[in-house]
Amino acid sequence: GALVYQYPRRTICKSGTSMRMECQAVGFQATSVAWYRQSPQKTFELIALSTVNSAIKYEQNFTQEKFPISHPNLSFSSMTVLNAYLEDRGLYLCGARGWGGEQYFGPGTRLTVL
Amino acid sequence: QQQVRQSPQSLTVWEGETAILNCSYENSAFDYFPWYQQFPGEGPALLIAIRSVSDKKEDGGFTIFFNKREKNLSLHIKDSQPGDSATYFCAANYGGSGNKLIFGTGTLLSVKP
Repeated sequence: GALVYQYPRRTICKSGTSMRMECQAVGFQATSVAWYRQSPQKTFELIALSTVNSAIKYEQNFTQEKFPISHPNLSFSSMTVLNAYLEDRGLYLCGARGWGGEQYFGPGTRLTVL
Repeated sequence: QQQVRQSPQSLTVWEGETAILNCSYENSAFDYFPWYQQFPGEGPALLIAIRSVSDKKEDGGFTIFFNKREKNLSLHIKDSQPGDSATYFCAANYGGSGNKLIFGTGTLLSVKP
């Protein structure tokens, strides 16, 4: 079956530091990867959409300078949160889309900023 | 502006009952509607999805009823079990949006034994 792994599951960083999170699609090839942030109130914010061999498209309020993404192949993507502050807290979700169009999510990386 | 709305915000049913979760949307260009189930501490899991060319989709005890004219859909969970207690999200997208899903705010379902 189609699985999406994310690493790490939880991370704590000091305010102003950066952290990197990874996403791996297993059992299928991810034609595109979407990174979301889910708030404690459970609302979803789309950060960026990444398609292999195409430019990464960031949503309003999110920038490459703050959330650089790497998507080198059809099974792997990573995103870094640079200079993390309190408002960056949340559950970061990676959604990988296969050729059939269905989007599968990983378990998320929960970011806590002290 | 919330493009995808869900109701109720929370729902409690007894074990064995059918839970009905509602979703409505504004953008008539939306043509794909997945439902996700999320347990605390986990990511959302794809449960069932429907395309706008259909008006009904069944998978196991889960059924989506879709009304394109009214721009709404509902998820019916037949014979609800305590293990179905979770937050359910309705989402929508259209071909031109690529992988961009618009999520609703979720319905918290509690199934009492």
